Amino acid sequence: DTAVSQTPKYLVTQMGNDKSIKCEQNLGHDTMYWYKQDSKKFLKIMFSYNNKELIINETVPNRFSPKSPDKAHLNLHINSLELGDSAVYFCASSQEPEKETQYFGPGTRLLVL
Amino acid sequence: DAKTTQPPSMDCAEGRAANLPCNHSTISGNEYVYWYRQIHSQGPQYIIHGLKNNETNEMASLIITEDRKSSTLILPHATLRDTAVYYCIVNNNDMRFGAGTRLTVKP
Repeated sequence: DTAVSQTPKYLVTQMGNDKSIKCEQNLGHDTMYWYKQDSKKFLKIMFSYNNKELIINETVPNRFSPKSPDKAHLNLHINSLELGDSAVYFCASSQEPEKETQYFGPGTRLLVL
Repeated sequence: DAKTTQPPSMDCAEGRAANLPCNHSTISGNEYVYWYRQIHSQGPQYIIHGLKNNETNEMASLIITEDRKSSTLILPHATLRDTAVYYCIVNNNDMRFGAGTRLTVKP
């Protein structure tokens, strides 16, 4: 069984649309994350979230919002997509923030046209 | 900005040891050193982590200097499948991945 899964794997959409990427982990972890990897291959954390706290990277536009229906899921909603949002988005999870190994999903490749 | 510096690229012959250095001169006392790798188009994969002592697992060894300002990841017998970008991270609540080291294992 895949520990951290993401859907869809590929997402092609038009500028201005609203889209969501889903993430599920079956590891029983308390903390989940979203990362963005841009065309230069830099991997930057966007959010970390557990049942107590949402930590937002201050550089993330408020068009991006994480939604967690339960502990095993952290979905990423993106409103009014822009060309610069094209990237690979990775979900990850860990038992606790800090000091704990993170397990990453396979990534979602978003292309905004 | 990442809190670590790594060489942008390295080559290694298949079957030989790959030694990947990392400088983290601003590391604080309670921060761990983590190593991850990313094989082309896949999500990052955890390799190993440590605080002060050297660590070894089935994938690699981690050597941390006594002053903790630098570390070396050792892949003892590199294979072609070890070709990847290797990231050294000083962990805190804000995991900052730098550019990493692109390791190419050659036959």
